Amino acid sequence: AQRVTQPEKLLSVFKGAPVELKCNYSYSGSPELFWYVQYSRQRLQLLLRHISRESIKGFTADLNKGETSFHLKKPFAQEEDSAMYYCALSNAGGTSYGKLTFGQGTILTVHP
Amino acid sequence: DAGVIQSPRHEVTEMGQEVTLRCKPISGHDYLFWYRQTMMRGLELLIYFNNNVPIDDSGMPEDRFSAKMPNASFSTLKIQPSEPRDSAVYFCASRPDRLISGNTIYFGEGSWLTVV
Repeated sequence: AQRVTQPEKLLSVFKGAPVELKCNYSYSGSPELFWYVQYSRQRLQLLLRHISRESIKGFTADLNKGETSFHLKKPFAQEEDSAMYYCALSNAGGTSYGKLTFGQGTILTVHP
Repeated sequence: DAGVIQSPRHEVTEMGQEVTLRCKPISGHDYLFWYRQTMMRGLELLIYFNNNVPIDDSGMPEDRFSAKMPNASFSTLKIQPSEPRDSAVYFCASRPDRLISGNTIYFGEGSWLTVV
């Protein structure tokens, strides 16, 4: 079974401070990992994918297979980063191919 | 493309009533997903379809919930009878075959359901 854990429900930082949103997963195969963001009362939108190895809005995330983690990081948080962040895992194959499982989400608040 | 379209955006209903949520996926997308979002449980996958066929409905909470996809451009999620604990935001999402975009999915704006 695939499982995604985001241990922090709430995270508060001040503007300009570094921020790290934690994500751990369990999956027996080779996963694809994602971060989605949801701004207040809006739809979820993709922030980044591990296979792209890109930086979006200053955020990066590295897949650590040894620690089964995919933490989201940003060196200097901005107030507009305040949102709900979801880590998600997808099967790369198998009978449940395409099934995207989300963690419980972390609400990030960046204070001025 | 207008993206994934859901209706209604907001619904308030009385306990025991039937609720039908609707979704129009992005044209050409082969996969359609229904998720439920609550503060306590986050985003839960209820069911997903591939080419209109249900693939995994293990997340459907109980028999009161049912979902259909009669064609490639329309899906419904029905709750009958509704209960206050069904109050949540219900998201529909879709994506094309992975060869086109990997496993990235695209969400609708959600249907905010309140059962009183």
